[in-house]
Amino acid sequence: SQQGEEDPQALSIQEGENATMNCSYKTSINNLQWYRQNSGRGLVHLILIRSNEREKHSGRLRVTLDTSKKSSSLLITASRAADTASYFCATVSAGGTSYGKLTFGQGTILTVHP
Amino acid sequence: DVKVTQSSRYLVKRTGEKVFLECVQDMDHENMFWYRQDPGLGLRLIYFSYDVKMKEKGDIPEGYSVSREKKERFSLILESASTNQTSMYLCASSFIHYEQYFGPGTRLTVT
Repeated sequence: SQQGEEDPQALSIQEGENATMNCSYKTSINNLQWYRQNSGRGLVHLILIRSNEREKHSGRLRVTLDTSKKSSSLLITASRAADTASYFCATVSAGGTSYGKLTFGQGTILTVHP
Repeated sequence: DVKVTQSSRYLVKRTGEKVFLECVQDMDHENMFWYRQDPGLGLRLIYFSYDVKMKEKGDIPEGYSVSREKKERFSLILESASTNQTSMYLCASSFIHYEQYFGPGTRLTVT
């Protein structure tokens, strides 16, 4: 089952611009994670935000989490052509039986034009 | 650096063949996962394992089985491959409730 829904499905911007991707989910979570996937490759973990956190930064990445709205956003500042990839949000459900399983959204395809 | 390796990057098999996909991690992670990724359907969890010899079904386990005899190795088995199992297969490992580390993926084609 796909818990997360991402918006937009595709985003095209110029180098130097900021890119914002949004993710909504349905059930209570332990944490929410963002991943990046270059075409035809495995996923790379970007950032993890726990349910009791509201904002997290890592380099040019900023993630926010609003548990009351069951939503998260990923902001990439000063984008580069090398940021071109698919970006996925994924949630770990709250509760002891989840074992840290991730439920992925459909992803946002980001294209950054030089 | 964490490393998750998968036995093949590309694999072509015939319908009805038994297929083994192997995944090895070097970080002593408890959890290991198998996903398949298809256009328009995203990543879907097939099976996962939270300990040696322990396994749990994911969202789409039909037609698959798994084996985890050692902590570092998690195998996905297609008992009788079918064309609808043509897909990208991704293995991942993690500590419980932490980020997952993915292998490079195996693109399987069943003809």
